[in-house]
Amino acid sequence: DGGITQSPKYLFRKEGQNVTLSCEQNLNHDAMYWYRQDPGQGLRLIYYSQIVNDFQKGDIAEGYSVSREKKESFPLTVTSAQKNPTAFYLCASRPGTGKSGGYTFGSGTRLTVV
Amino acid sequence: AQSVTQLGSHVSVSEGALVLLRCNYSSSVPPYLFWYVQYPNQGLQLLLKYTSAATLVKGINGFEAEFKKSETSFHLTKPSAHMSDAAEYFCAVSVNDYKLSFGAGTTVTVRA
Repeated sequence: DGGITQSPKYLFRKEGQNVTLSCEQNLNHDAMYWYRQDPGQGLRLIYYSQIVNDFQKGDIAEGYSVSREKKESFPLTVTSAQKNPTAFYLCASRPGTGKSGGYTFGSGTRLTVV
Repeated sequence: AQSVTQLGSHVSVSEGALVLLRCNYSSSVPPYLFWYVQYPNQGLQLLLKYTSAATLVKGINGFEAEFKKSETSFHLTKPSAHMSDAAEYFCAVSVNDYKLSFGAGTTVTVRA
């Protein structure tokens, strides 16, 4: 079945460490997204990519980095510059061929700073 | 700019009662609208979407939503709540070919 796979499901980071969250999709979708979710704050867009080798900053990109070397993959790196990284991270994709297409979401990665 | 506003961050209903979640949108062009559901520690799942074909949209799990242009609303309803409906619900509007804009979410609690 087609879908989005996020790994790991749970991730623990020490202070000063960089960590990378994986997101892979087999839906042949053009666009991919990373959201951060905190209690009571809904979804906030970190980065998005419309095509391979191109990506744009979202609303809260500081302290994060991404790459889009393959259509199927859109990894997110949480750098040591992100001062409050503890959150639930969601990856999503969309066909990118019209406004009627909704997002397909992965099951999320919960990141905790220890 | 396109955006959505969800009225009420938390809704509590009795099992078997009507579920009504409110969403109002603003859009300079005919909108495409979506409702998503999120269970704890999971991703978001599409419940239904409005893409201008019909104003009353039926989705999964017995939910439906009605697009009312005059009221700029897209409220989500379910006639009879079940315990399994306890979750967080998000309304979203299509900004362009590539992006959606999400509301802040409404948490539903179902009382036995």
